[in-house]
Amino acid sequence: QKEVEQNSGPLSVPEGAIASLNCTYSDRGSQSFFWYRQYSGKSPELIMFIYSNGDKEDGRFTAQLNKASQYVSLLIRDSQPSDSATYLCAVGGVRDDKIIFGKGTRLHILP
Amino acid sequence: DGGITQSPKYLFRKEGQNVTLSCEQNLNHDAMYWYRQDPGQGLRLIYYSQIVNDFQKGDIAEGYSVSREKKESFPLTVTSAQKNPTAFYLCASSWTGVGYTFGSGTRLTVV
Repeated sequence: QKEVEQNSGPLSVPEGAIASLNCTYSDRGSQSFFWYRQYSGKSPELIMFIYSNGDKEDGRFTAQLNKASQYVSLLIRDSQPSDSATYLCAVGGVRDDKIIFGKGTRLHILP
Repeated sequence: DGGITQSPKYLFRKEGQNVTLSCEQNLNHDAMYWYRQDPGQGLRLIYYSQIVNDFQKGDIAEGYSVSREKKESFPLTVTSAQKNPTAFYLCASSWTGVGYTFGSGTRLTVV
């Protein structure tokens, strides 16, 4: 059974600080990695995706991938109250379109 | 604008009743998915379809049925055999490996 594990939180971070969200996955053959943001009562929104080892930056967001350790992370710099949400880590294969989702980490940015 | 439309936003089902949730996309995506999300829980895959006239069961298909007669449409029927249908239902679509785009969801409640 393929699994994606995340700490459920809540993770509380002061406004302006860096929020660090972590995720591990069980399938060593995984090739695609995604971070979704979900506000309460809303549907998930894709904010980052990464396929290769290393870092990928987009604005205040940085996704980090370490395939040897089967570890994915999301850094949010200069955290804002609007970043308060649940962040879902998702992992997929190459030919397999099915993506496996973690249960999410609740992030709370303290004003 | 391209996107995924789910309807209705809220749905109430009486005991023993079948209900159908609509999902339409104009993104020209081949693959479509149905997920269920319970409070504080992750996304659980109900059914998915990678091509017209073909679909596969996900992890929790019992009590649900789908059809894929058109590329744009992937309706989900919640049958009376589903004993605990109250949940948030999410439809998604994708190209291979580029992550999912989600609809806004349907909140189903048993009355």
